[in-house]
This record gives sequence, structure tokens and C-alpha cells, in this order.
Amino acid sequence: DTAVSQTPKYLVTQMGNDKSIKCEQNLGHDTMYWYKQDSKKFLKIMFSYNNKELIINETVPNRFSPKSPDKAHLNLHINSLELGDSAVYFCASSNRESGYGYTFGSGTRLTVV
Amino acid sequence: GQQVMQIPQYQHVQEGEDFTTYCNSSTTLSNIQWYKQRPGGHPVFLIQLVKSGEVKKQKRLTFQFGEAKKNSSLHITATQTTDVGTYFCAGRTSQGSKLTFGTGTQLKVEL
Repeated sequence: DTAVSQTPKYLVTQMGNDKSIKCEQNLGHDTMYWYKQDSKKFLKIMFSYNNKELIINETVPNRFSPKSPDKAHLNLHINSLELGDSAVYFCASSNRESGYGYTFGSGTRLTVV
Repeated sequence: GQQVMQIPQYQHVQEGEDFTTYCNSSTTLSNIQWYKQRPGGHPVFLIQLVKSGEVKKQKRLTFQFGEAKKNSSLHITATQTTDVGTYFCAGRTSQGSKLTFGTGTQLKVEL
């Protein structure tokens, strides 16, 4: 049973296109996150949702829009893709109050050409 | 904003040698976590340290949290090829606040 699952695993698309990445967790966690990992391996938080409510919104272009239909799902929609958006995007989940470790999905490697 | 730096950025060792990565935060932390990411994989939670001066061990891995709660270290004794990957520390300034990841240390182990 996959704890945090992301789809798709790979995404190759042209500049200017719109794409979505989906994430689901079956751990019963109340908080979900999107992280971006660049080519230098830096992991940077983008968004965080707690029980469907947006609680962290880092300095991310408006072209990125997260949506959480319920606390088990957090999707990421990206409009007008740019070359600089190429990266690995990780979804993660945790229980916020316990402050314990995050469980990450296997990642989506986005390549914009 | 909060910054968490790790050194070294890269480390190549021969199998059997020891390895240490150091993590330094610009602000005092309430707790620190460590993650391992294998090549092509995703970060996997290893451990959390909460108390000042805390030391925890997992087999060949030893984790320390500094007295001032602004730094931490991960030491691996007698590295093996299975230890290859990038090790991240990640810290919180308070319970429930966002987790800021360190810059990571990429470890390569050669036979």
C-alpha cells in the first residue's frame, strides 16, 4: 500500500502549456505539502494545507495554484509553464500537531522544453 | 528568513571510512529532523531530535543536537555502499511551524 502517491511520475511538456500533478495520502495525516527540488537538490517548500486550509504559501508565482478537495488530496496546477519550472516536485504529508516526520511521495519529474 | 546550511556539500569516502555531515541554523530550533534521499528517490524520514544536547543512535548512524539548539550532526561509522545518497537536516523554530530543509550533503561511497 503506497502511503503518499503522486501522479504522474514523469511529465514532459512544452513551454506555455498548463499541467496538473495529483497527490493522495492514505495515512490519515491532517497536513499536506508541495516541495520543489531543483537540480542542486535544494528542497524548497511551496505550499502547505492543513485540513483543506492553506497555511503556508511561500513566494511562488501565481501560475502555481494548489487545490485540496479533502485532507487526503492535494493537487498542484501550473499555468503557462516556463523552462525554469523544470524540477522534481514532491508531495508530502504529516500530522501537524505531533510535529513528527514527513512522508514523501516518490516525486514528479517535470521537464519543460 | 530562517536558513539552514549543511557542510560539506559533497563527500566521497572509501567503503569502511567514517562520514559526518554538519547542519547549522541561523535561528534557534525547537526540533530537528534528518532525512535520507537515495539517488533517484525521495526523502525518507530518519529521526527527530528535540532536546538540547540530545544524542540518538540508529545502528551505525549517530545523531546529535547541539546544546544551543542551532546545530546538529549526523555521523556514520564504517560507511557501506548502501549509505549512498543525500542527507538532509530539517528544522522547525516552533511546534507546528514550517519545516525548513538544509542544503543537503551528497555522500558517495567507493569500493
